[in-house]
Amino acid sequence: DAGVTQSPTHLIKTRGQHVTLRCSPISGHKSVSWYQQVLGQGPQFIFQYYEKEERGRGNFPDRFSARQFPNYSSELNVNALLLGDSALYLCASSLGRLHGHRLAGAFYNEQFFGPGTRLTVL
Amino acid sequence: GQSLEQPSEVTAVEGAIVQINCTYQTSGFYGLSWYQQHDGGAPTFLSYNALDGLEETGRFSSFLSRSDSYGYLLLQELQMKDSASYFCAVFAVTGRRALTFGSGTRLQVQP
Repeated sequence: DAGVTQSPTHLIKTRGQHVTLRCSPISGHKSVSWYQQVLGQGPQFIFQYYEKEERGRGNFPDRFSARQFPNYSSELNVNALLLGDSALYLCASSLGRLHGHRLAGAFYNEQFFGPGTRLTVL
Repeated sequence: GQSLEQPSEVTAVEGAIVQINCTYQTSGFYGLSWYQQHDGGAPTFLSYNALDGLEETGRFSSFLSRSDSYGYLLLQELQMKDSASYFCAVFAVTGRRALTFGSGTRLQVQP
């Protein structure tokens, strides 16, 4: 089975431009999450989508937006690019929503990460 | 907000045992996860703890104390391939759901 795929692999943009990053989850996975990882830091959570609805949002400006399509693939859009947006953008898919409390009879769904898109803003 | 603290670097020798600690401050805590990331690679899931106690998966174990807001990852019988960065991540729900990663612990395994 194919893993999570992301496109493009690398991207170079200039300040003020717009970028669209794409992610295809593992077949059967309905949840997609997006992360930004700056070199030497942990991934920073941007969005989670489940069943085409936004289910989680990190502390990122409104220049960042995303959507999930009926086939569960996803796009991350970033407008008005800044130099500080240069990073590795990771997509992760899981069967369902991220976590739930076991006492509530809930669940944890392991996330599978894609290889990422390396975005450089000049 | 949420914050996590973990050591930036740990060095150990092959065959040894190493413990990577993680302390967190958050409200709406649901669970603590651990991820491994090799240089140039994507993070891979190692473990998840929602309740207090130890979870064991092969050579790796993870522990959580909710009352102490503390967890650790224990790696046994270290191998050279275990050299990587290890991240703890907290999932919390405070009006919105978010998964927060720590800055990572770089583990170097020496022969």
